[in-house]
Amino acid sequence: GAGVSQSPSNKVTEKGKDVELRCDPISGHTALYWYRQSLGQGLEFLIYFQGNSAPDKSGLPSDRFSAERTGGSVSTLTIQRTQQEDSAVYLCASSESTGGLGEQFFGPGTRLTVL
Amino acid sequence: EDQVTQSPEALRLQEGESSSLNCSYTVSGLRGLFWYRQDPGKGPEFLFTLYSAGEEKEKERLKATLTKKESFLHITAPKPEDSATYLCAVNSNSGYALNFGKGTSLLVTP
Repeated sequence: GAGVSQSPSNKVTEKGKDVELRCDPISGHTALYWYRQSLGQGLEFLIYFQGNSAPDKSGLPSDRFSAERTGGSVSTLTIQRTQQEDSAVYLCASSESTGGLGEQFFGPGTRLTVL
Repeated sequence: EDQVTQSPEALRLQEGESSSLNCSYTVSGLRGLFWYRQDPGKGPEFLFTLYSAGEEKEKERLKATLTKKESFLHITAPKPEDSATYLCAVNSNSGYALNFGKGTSLLVTP
């Protein structure tokens, strides 16, 4: 596909369970970002990947959140022991340019609901 | 700390009624200001990047401008299909991420 894809599109889970969210960036894009969008809030930065390394993890809200990227392509965001406040839309974006420069192209997001 | 403030929060226009959306920012060294459009249930769609004061970019009915303190998104003769939330974001010397405002929700009625 030509754009960023994310799966699943929707995820409903129970408090305390672990979840994995997947992002497939645009082919050839070196930079990959995760953001979170909560109701009534702006987009909140979580983590930035340059290739397979993450030089900026400053937005991860707690140690329950982790992310990895393999092969310079697919990324997985893992939330352990989910809490109700983790409910949000998780958005992934990729860019040709590294270091925050250049346009970021977003996927459709994963809507996470924690009951 | 970078700050991005968008106004108004919501705007209702009649079809053909031109207007402007505002994005005020405070950053430590602007590297780029970005405008996105977001439709309900979808991810943000890239519109424009502006890099320096005085720069302008146009696309169909939209025109974005930039000064040292704010950016405007001018919408000329809007149509109902322009209804969406418009997001402004900045990238600065303080980090890699985009710092987003909360958006302006635009409704254009026939």
